[in-house]
Amino acid sequence: GQSLEQPSEVTAVEGAIVQINCTYQTSGFYGLSWYQQHDGGAPTFLSYNALDGLEETGRFSSFLSRSDSYGYLLLQELQMKDSASYFCAVRDIQAGTALIFGKGTTLSVSS
Amino acid sequence: DSGVTQTPKHLITATGQRVTLRCSPRSGDLSVYWYQQSLDQGLQFLIQYYNGEERAKGNILERFSAQQFPDLHSELNLSSLELGDSALYFCASSVGDRVGGNTIYFGEGSWLTVV
Repeated sequence: GQSLEQPSEVTAVEGAIVQINCTYQTSGFYGLSWYQQHDGGAPTFLSYNALDGLEETGRFSSFLSRSDSYGYLLLQELQMKDSASYFCAVRDIQAGTALIFGKGTTLSVSS
Repeated sequence: DSGVTQTPKHLITATGQRVTLRCSPRSGDLSVYWYQQSLDQGLQFLIQYYNGEERAKGNILERFSAQQFPDLHSELNLSSLELGDSALYFCASSVGDRVGGNTIYFGEGSWLTVV
């Protein structure tokens, strides 16, 4: 089976940096993905890490440590529009190629 | 716009009824996934189809079933509906059936309210 743990809520102010952590347990590891979901909207892909280290995409970066079964999403220069839920996700071979999601972290950015 | 199309967007129905949700994947995608999202359960994987065949099952109830047709669109059938089935149902698709770096793309979802 698989499980993912991430904080339920994070708050920050505009311009700040926030880190959302994710720890996972899975019977077969095939990378850690991050998705963003605005209230009531479709989850959209942000980042994917298959190997250890940092992946940077604009203001967003994602990190993975396979030995620690741990990853994080780093959001820099926060903007109000970054207020959303952020999900980490893994694949488990027992679930085909479906992504298994954590319960999500709600990020609230204030001015 | 992800290219994944879901209908209907909103649906209200009574307990005990049956509904069908429809999904058209992105052009060229062979895999279709169904997810249920409710307030207290997050995004729950229900079932995956790949090129017409069931590929994997998640937390799908026996009252629920799905299929993928030759034109690759998929339908999720929910029967004997209960109040607790009220949720946002997402369809997602991906190109293939390989686990590595295989991004999945979500539709806008179908809001189901059971009254």
